[in-house]
Amino acid sequence: KAGVTQTPRYLIKTRGQQVTLSCSPISGHRSVSWYQQTPGQGLQFLFEYFSETQRNKGNFPGRFSGRQFSNSRSEMNVSTLELGDSALYLCASSLAYTGTVEFGSGTRLTVV
Amino acid sequence: SQQGEEDPQALSIQEGENATMNCSYKTSINNLQWYRQNSGRGLVHLILIRSNEREKHSGRLRVTLDTSKKSSSLLITASRAADTASYFCATDEGTYKYIFGTGTRLKVLA
Repeated sequence: KAGVTQTPRYLIKTRGQQVTLSCSPISGHRSVSWYQQTPGQGLQFLFEYFSETQRNKGNFPGRFSGRQFSNSRSEMNVSTLELGDSALYLCASSLAYTGTVEFGSGTRLTVV
Repeated sequence: SQQGEEDPQALSIQEGENATMNCSYKTSINNLQWYRQNSGRGLVHLILIRSNEREKHSGRLRVTLDTSKKSSSLLITASRAADTASYFCATDEGTYKYIFGTGTRLKVLA
C-alpha cells in the first residue's frame, strides 16, 4: 500500500512569505500529525487532526496552522516566514492514536 | 518539552557487532515506538511496544520496555553498514501527541 505522501519535497521561500505543505495519509488512516525537525530542537509536535478536528496543538506561534479535509488529507500553513522556520516538516498518519504511526519523507523548507 | 532522552547520543561499532540504544521518558505511556532516520529523511517505523508488554522482536531488532523505570532499549543484532542511521524513540502522552527522544546516531563500520 502507498505510504504517507508529502508534497513538495523541497521548498525555498523568502522571509515574510507564507507556505502551504500537503500531506496524504495512508489509505484508511484518519489521524494525521505534523512535526517539525531542526538540529537544535529535534522533533517537535505541531498538531494532530482526526476526522477534520484538531485534537491537540504543540507550543508553536499562531503563524503555524493546519487543517484536515474530509478525505483525511491534511495541509499545514506557515505565514510570515522567519529564518528560524527552516526545518524538515514531517507528516505522520495512523489508524488510531494508539496505533503504529507512519511518517512521510518530509518537506525540507528553507527560508532565506 | 522533550520527554525522551536517549543514550548514547552517538555509537560507533564494527559490522557484525550488536548495538544497544536506551531511551528514558518521564510520564506514564500507552505505547512506545522506535524509528530510524537516514540522513535527515523521513522516519521509518521499526517497532511499537505497548505499556503492558515487556519485550518484542522483529527480525534483528529486540525492544524491551520497563515501565517501572520508565525506560526502553533497542538492540540491533549482527549490525550491517546499512543500519547506519539515527534512531529515535517516541512516547505518547495520552493527549494525541508523541514526544520524541533526542536520538542516537549509530555508525556501523564495514
